[in-house]
Amino acid sequence: DAGITQSPRHKVTETGTPVTLRCHQTENHRYMYWYRQDPGHGLRLIHYSYGVKDTDKGEVSDGYSVSRSKTEDFLLTLESATSSQTSVYFCAISESIGSGPNEQFFGPGTRLTVL
Amino acid sequence: AQSVTQLDSQVPVFEEAPVELRCNYSSSVSVYLFWYVQYPNQGLQLLLKYLSGSTLVESINGFEAEFNKSQTSFHLRKPSVHISDTAEYFCAVFATYGGSQGNLIFGKGTKLSVKP
Repeated sequence: DAGITQSPRHKVTETGTPVTLRCHQTENHRYMYWYRQDPGHGLRLIHYSYGVKDTDKGEVSDGYSVSRSKTEDFLLTLESATSSQTSVYFCAISESIGSGPNEQFFGPGTRLTVL
Repeated sequence: AQSVTQLDSQVPVFEEAPVELRCNYSSSVSVYLFWYVQYPNQGLQLLLKYLSGSTLVESINGFEAEFNKSQTSFHLRKPSVHISDTAEYFCAVFATYGGSQGNLIFGKGTKLSVKP
């Protein structure tokens, strides 16, 4: 299995509270991604990173920010959590694309509940 | 923009029966297609992928998918399913932009339920 961990694995918080989710990899992969998974929507990309301090927005980035100060860590922050951000969050990593896309490896997920 | 449509949200099937999970994608110049599987309470795992070459791709556990450019489809099939195949299956297309960068666009998933 690819070395990807997510912390915390479960979190319950209240509306308006800041929340930070951490993704840590031991594979030295260049690309890292944050997705959210909701019933009936599949996985939707929130933000991604293509290198240290290089990040960009995905499909559903409103209300989220990210940071990547080291190759191995990619942080997702909800500045002020809302109930609509209750979801399961997955981190993924992949290596340089080259002539085509390489496989994305997924972490175990973080279940976030915003009350 | 690239998009993926999984035509069935749920597929119930009996053990040892054949199954087909349907996936259609929006057309693009370069198409890279994937099927991922998610077992209960786990992350996603790559099942198989089409990048180029043979239009029929196979996985190690008996699944196969065929890339059909004219029908813009990438349906997943297995001739005989097992209880352990119960999971949610996601079709994805790799959307490229600006050189070699890109991201996966996922379908909404198909829940395969295999009954004894």
